[in-house]
Amino acid sequence: EDKVVQSPLSLVVHEGDTVTLNCSYEVTNFRSLLWYKQEKKAPTFLFMLTSSGIEKKSGRLSSILDKKELFSILNITATQTGDSAVYLCAVEVLNSGGYQKVTFGTGTKLQVIP
Amino acid sequence: DGGITQSPKYLFRKEGQNVTLSCEQNLNHDAMYWYRQDPGQGLRLIYYSQIVNDFQKGDIAEGYSVSREKKESFPLTVTSAQKNPTAFYLCASRFTGLNEKLFFGSGTQLSVL
Repeated sequence: EDKVVQSPLSLVVHEGDTVTLNCSYEVTNFRSLLWYKQEKKAPTFLFMLTSSGIEKKSGRLSSILDKKELFSILNITATQTGDSAVYLCAVEVLNSGGYQKVTFGTGTKLQVIP
Repeated sequence: DGGITQSPKYLFRKEGQNVTLSCEQNLNHDAMYWYRQDPGQGLRLIYYSQIVNDFQKGDIAEGYSVSREKKESFPLTVTSAQKNPTAFYLCASRFTGLNEKLFFGSGTQLSVL
């Protein structure tokens, strides 16, 4: 069974702090790893990683994938209250029937206080 | 505007009742997915489909059923066999090529009366 584990489950930081969110996985036929931010209802896309060791960056957010050790991290520098959200990690696999299954982790709830 | 529309936003189910959640997309996506989210939890996969008239069970398919008669539509029925249906349900879709991200609808909150 495909497994995606995120840590920590929740985190409270002060504005300006830097945070690192973790995602580890045990899957068969890995294709990509995705990060999403969920503030209210619909998750919004942050990053997709397919190659090991290549950092993806967007403003204060960055992410990197280690395919050998089977994990990814999401970094947020100089956090702001608007970064408060649930951050979801997902892994896409190609299962034995050729279907593209996308499995999510439990999420990390980040709260940034002024 | 292109997007994924889920309806209704809120739904109440009586004991022993089947209810159907609607998901429609006009993005011309091939694949569609249903997820369940419980408070403080991540998303758990219920069913997914890559082509019309074909779908696969996810990790928590028991008590649910789906159909995919049209490319644009992927309705989810929560049957009376699902004993704990109260949750937030999210529908998503994507193209089936390499490196394609998931797009989400705004969800349906289902509660039991």
